[in-house]
Amino acid sequence: EVQLLESGGGLVQPGGSLRLSCAASGFTFSTNAMSWVRQAPGKGLEWVSVIISNGGSTYSADSVKGRFTISRDNSKNTLYLQMNNVRVEDTAVYYCAKPRGQQLRYYFDYWGQGTLVTVSS
Amino acid sequence: EIVLTQSPGTLSLSPGERATLSCRASQSVSSSYLAWYQQKPGQAPRLLIYGASNRATDIPDRFSGSGSGTDFTLTISRLEPEDFAVYYCQQYGSSPPYTFGQGTKLEIK
Repeated sequence: EVQLLESGGGLVQPGGSLRLSCAASGFTFSTNAMSWVRQAPGKGLEWVSVIISNGGSTYSADSVKGRFTISRDNSKNTLYLQMNNVRVEDTAVYYCAKPRGQQLRYYFDYWGQGTLVTVSS
Repeated sequence: EIVLTQSPGTLSLSPGERATLSCRASQSVSSSYLAWYQQKPGQAPRLLIYGASNRATDIPDRFSGSGSGTDFTLTISRLEPEDFAVYYCQQYGSSPPYTFGQGTKLEIK
């Protein structure tokens, strides 16, 4: 059974930093791309970032480019999102999601339960 | 970036009725790379449909997807009480960014 368990969310001040983690199990983590998707309170889904299986390439939404960094540790089956210089508008539930597809054409077949990040002074 | 517009914003129907949800893209979605998700309050999204018309694992056959190019449809043939939720479409026809529609809320009439 595929399981994705996010952690690391919480309250952070504007301009601060936070690192989210996603522990994966039930599939071969090291051969799969991984992604983060977020959802602001009462709003829709917004794709944040994706990383390919070996970590060699990453892609991010313009809204987080230069501030958020996606990374992974295949020896620990863990995905990360380093969030720097956070803004109030980054307040959201952050979901870890397992992409499926080919050549970066991905939909998301499994999702974690999410971790809430609140940016406020 | 492809913008997806879902309609209607809210759909009010009764159990047993047929639901038709629309997703329109600002430009053609190549090879029908479009997915649909269901999200219930307090839960993560769940994949329903990929490739515009392929049901994901364990999805009941009352859910079906259709369409191509810029116009896509999710149909629920006979609504069950557990189907009332928010539905999102997502395009993945090109390299990132992946984009989602704003959602359609399906509520009990």
